[in-house]
Amino acid sequence: GAVVSQHPSWVICKSGTSVKIECRSLDFQATTMFWYRQFPKQSLMLMATSNEGSKATYEQGVEKDKFLINHASLTLSTLTVTSAHPEDSSFYICSARGRGNSPLHFGNGTRLTVT
Amino acid sequence: SQKIEQNSEALNIQEGKTATLTCNYTNYSPAYLQWYRQDPGRGPVFLLLIRENEKEKRKERLKVTFDTTLKQSLFHITASQPADSATYLCALDIGGGYQKVTFGIGTKLQVIP
Repeated sequence: GAVVSQHPSWVICKSGTSVKIECRSLDFQATTMFWYRQFPKQSLMLMATSNEGSKATYEQGVEKDKFLINHASLTLSTLTVTSAHPEDSSFYICSARGRGNSPLHFGNGTRLTVT
Repeated sequence: SQKIEQNSEALNIQEGKTATLTCNYTNYSPAYLQWYRQDPGRGPVFLLLIRENEKEKRKERLKVTFDTTLKQSLFHITASQPADSATYLCALDIGGGYQKVTFGIGTKLQVIP
């Protein structure tokens, strides 16, 4: 149980275009989902907290207009990287948590390369 | 802010030995601490959670300790196998209304056959 599906697993896009990444909890309801970014040999950096039916909460230094998050249902959150630039190239990972202090369940990540 | 220290250098260990990984943190003690495994190009996978009032937690060949006085957690893998080779992440809750979690940089474990 507790499977999180993230799609696509990798994407290559041109500078200036937008990319949407989907994160789905397949067998549980996730009131809260988290989006992380990970650069090579660095730790996961929390970008934003996504709450079903409300606006996402962004971490300091993360541009909300650049990284649009939508949490339309209890099983789906999307991250859209708008007007992507080469420096946005990274590994983006979503996670979801069930109720209470349950552990995080992660998707397999999306490798974004902006050319 | 909470800072997590993990030995970012790789840990090489002979198959069959016990691997011990360290996680130190600063500032306040979290209500719970978690360990995850991450393989290259994949998302982390949850392994164990230990609460502040627990000294030790075990799961099969895994053991985690939590010392709030030392502000340290140790993660042990006994009878290590090459398949245990991965990066192991320590994670702490950082409070906030949505139970946010912050991660250490991880320690890369290599089990040599």
